[in-house]
Amino acid sequence: LAKTTQPISMDSYEGQEVNITCSHNNIATNDYITWYQQFPSQGPRFIIQGYKTKVTNEVASLFIPADRKSSTLSLPRVSLSDTAVYYCLVGDKAAGNKLTFGGGTRVLVKP
Amino acid sequence: EAQVTQNPRYLITVTGKKLTVTCSQNMNHEYMSWYRQDPGLGLRQIYYSMNVEVTDKGDVPEGYKVSRKEKRNFPLILESPSPNQTSLYFCASSFRTESNSPLHFGNGTRLTVT
Repeated sequence: LAKTTQPISMDSYEGQEVNITCSHNNIATNDYITWYQQFPSQGPRFIIQGYKTKVTNEVASLFIPADRKSSTLSLPRVSLSDTAVYYCLVGDKAAGNKLTFGGGTRVLVKP
Repeated sequence: EAQVTQNPRYLITVTGKKLTVTCSQNMNHEYMSWYRQDPGLGLRQIYYSMNVEVTDKGDVPEGYKVSRKEKRNFPLILESPSPNQTSLYFCASSFRTESNSPLHFGNGTRLTVT
């Protein structure tokens, strides 16, 4: 069972890049790494997912080193609306494994 | 619109009074799951279901039951609620056979047990 560890919180300013690292030392071969964003009173929503190396979409990038024991979510040029809690999720549901969320990182973007 | 619908959004009950929180999805997803969210503890999985009539325990299943009689519905049952089950609950669903298909979450049910 892959346990994940994330920083509890981090502050940033508008226009800066925010990088959040998630540790998952026991990641299994078939596990994917997925990041979610959650605003107050809402369910988490998908941001980005990867298996290895680097993945980029219109909102974020995900960096995964070769050993896959950690991953880093990168949010370029954040705005106030990016203030949220970000969760790292590791697992392989197709194999029937439990999906384990990290404790979440609270990101506060200041003006 | 593709969505996961939970009901009710808010529920206040008393210790020992059985309750059910419903969850329904309209995306033909095989996989469904329940999570609870508590301050400082993040999202913890209660139960999950890989398909109809297939359910399995997550990390914190004690005090909860689930059923999966139909593909679209996955109710969470608390037979005898206790105050330590006061929490924010989320239902989620996704395609099962694709490991990389993301979870779709409902908007949550805030439960208070007095």
